[in-house]
Amino acid sequence: GEKVEQHESTLSVREGDSAVINCTYTDTASSYFPWYKQEAGKSLHFVIDIRSNVDRKQSQRLIVLLDKKAKRFSLHITATQPEDSAIYFCGVGDNSKLIWGLGTSLVVNP
Amino acid sequence: EAAVTQSPRNKVAVTGGKVTLSCNQTNNHNNMYWYRQDTGHGLRLIHYSYGAGSTEKGDIPDGYKASRPSQENFSLILELATPSQTSVYFCASGGGSSYEQYFGPGTRLTVL
Repeated sequence: GEKVEQHESTLSVREGDSAVINCTYTDTASSYFPWYKQEAGKSLHFVIDIRSNVDRKQSQRLIVLLDKKAKRFSLHITATQPEDSAIYFCGVGDNSKLIWGLGTSLVVNP
Repeated sequence: EAAVTQSPRNKVAVTGGKVTLSCNQTNNHNNMYWYRQDTGHGLRLIHYSYGAGSTEKGDIPDGYKASRPSQENFSLILELATPSQTSVYFCASGGGSSYEQYFGPGTRLTVL
């Protein structure tokens, strides 16, 4: 079955710098790649996604890049702010089911 | 705004006891999911459902049953709870055109 590896378990950046979180997957048939954010003590909520028919998507300070050949996708957070501090999870799958990475704890230092 | 609620929010159970976790969604989504979240394991899918009356096994179904009596409600049942089932459990709904899954607030279960 599908396996997802989220490469950075922790990431620390300075406020205003960019943060990049990387995920790789194994199943070439996977078509949907979302990112979710979990703030301390809270639930998960959606931040951005990309589907396999495009290789780049941007929503304000968030950019997702998809490299289908390498089976890799990444979340770029530009001009980081303290409120970006959270755990970020990548997901891989389709509209019916997702497999999740283990999460990356992002700390944005003032 | 999509809404998924879970009850109870916190539960302490005894080993061998029966535990039922409930989830309700008002999104009219066909799909519902039960996950558990543990440090070092991320989110793991226990059971999911494509609609009322259907349940499917996820990646870690052993020791758990699920029930989907209606579009809105999805329950997770631990018939004989064990300490290894101590975890935070999240319910989610999805399957709409946006592909997004909407998560509930979570239930913290402790099995003593």
